[in-house]
Amino acid sequence: EPEVTQTPSHQVTQMGQEVILRCVPISNHLYFYWYRQILGQKVEFLVSFYNNEISEKSEIFDDQFSVERPDGSNFTLKIRSTKLEDSAMYFCASSELAGVNEQFFGPGTRLTVL
Amino acid sequence: DQQVKQNSPSLSVQEGRISILNCDYTNSMFDYFLWYKKYPAEGPTFLISISSIKDKNEDGRFTVFLNKSAKHLSLHIVPSQPGDSAVYFCAASKAAGNKLTFGGGTRVLVKP
Repeated sequence: EPEVTQTPSHQVTQMGQEVILRCVPISNHLYFYWYRQILGQKVEFLVSFYNNEISEKSEIFDDQFSVERPDGSNFTLKIRSTKLEDSAMYFCASSELAGVNEQFFGPGTRLTVL
Repeated sequence: DQQVKQNSPSLSVQEGRISILNCDYTNSMFDYFLWYKKYPAEGPTFLISISSIKDKNEDGRFTVFLNKSAKHLSLHIVPSQPGDSAVYFCAASKAAGNKLTFGGGTRVLVKP
């Protein structure tokens, strides 16, 4: 069964460093998303991406964050200068088409900022 | 963001019995509702969804009920199995393709 994959599974970085989290969505999906879950808190939306542009972003997704689909398969989230409060599980998700609402999630990347 | 709430942080049920998970929402613009299951160190796994034009959707052991006037939905799992032990999240969106707004989750423990 097709699935969303994410790498790395765990990333440890120093505060102020740049990180890139990678995702390979399901191949025929057209909508892509990033969510995060800080320990003990809700899963929260960061950004959605469709047709090679951001379709929606949350207040969390400030200038330190960016997303890219550099080729036909990868979808990346970059954090330019990490802060301690960026430590969280980051989930990539994808969905198939307009009119289909189910989003399928990857296993997540645990980001630890020291 | 309290637009989607799951008021029961945990639920314990005997194997073979029914598990009922509840979810309330405040935003009347929500049109789609979904339930996800999550095991530790894994991503949420889609279980079942319902659109606002329906009041019930069934898939095997899982049934979701939607009461739009009460802004309430529930997930019934019957019969419950030990492998169902996980955290269950309710989520809502305003339209297909839109972001999901999640509840805080309910941890279910199914005892053999």
